[in-house]
Amino acid sequence: AQSVTQLDSQVPVFEEAPVELRCNYSSSVSVYLFWYVQYPNQGLQLLLKYLSGSTLVKGINGFEAEFNKSQTSFHLRKPSVHISDTAEYFCAVSESGTYKYIFGTGTRLKVLA
Amino acid sequence: DAGVIQSPRHEVTEMGQEVTLRCKPISGHNSLFWYRQTMMRGLELLIYFNNNVPIDDSGMPEDRFSAKMPNASFSTLKIQPSEPRDSAVYFCASSLLSGEAFFGQGTRLTVV
Repeated sequence: AQSVTQLDSQVPVFEEAPVELRCNYSSSVSVYLFWYVQYPNQGLQLLLKYLSGSTLVKGINGFEAEFNKSQTSFHLRKPSVHISDTAEYFCAVSESGTYKYIFGTGTRLKVLA
Repeated sequence: DAGVIQSPRHEVTEMGQEVTLRCKPISGHNSLFWYRQTMMRGLELLIYFNNNVPIDDSGMPEDRFSAKMPNASFSTLKIQPSEPRDSAVYFCASSLLSGEAFFGQGTRLTVV
């Protein structure tokens, strides 16, 4: 069975500093990987996705993620964060060809002035 | 397209009452998901439909929960009878094959 692990429940970082949010997955088959962002009292919004091809994926708001098959990781990065990036970030996986998405427990990013 | 539309946005009900949450997926999407989000358990997949057919309902907590998708543009999640521990935010999402899931704004359910 597939699963997703987000090791960091909270990540505080100062404004304009770089950030990395970690995501590891387990699956016995090929997968699709996603990062979503959730602002307070809102639904989840897609940041970026990996389906195939280049392992470095660029998304909205300056975020990017790298798919590392050998380490089964899909870490999210941003070189310089803004106050407005304060939100909860969810990593998700679905097995290729299936419709079932499994989400991690989320990482709360808090950007400090 | 207006995106995934959920109603109501907020629901407060008394324990023992029936609650019905509604979802209109994005037109043309063939998969629909119901998730529940709580502080304790995070995002839990309750059930998903493909082409209006329930494919996996293993996440439905118990028999008090039921979900239907009578057509491609409408789904309901019903809780009968409701209990305080059902209080959560319930999200509906839809997608196309191999695409990302698009989420609605959620329904915040409070059972008192």
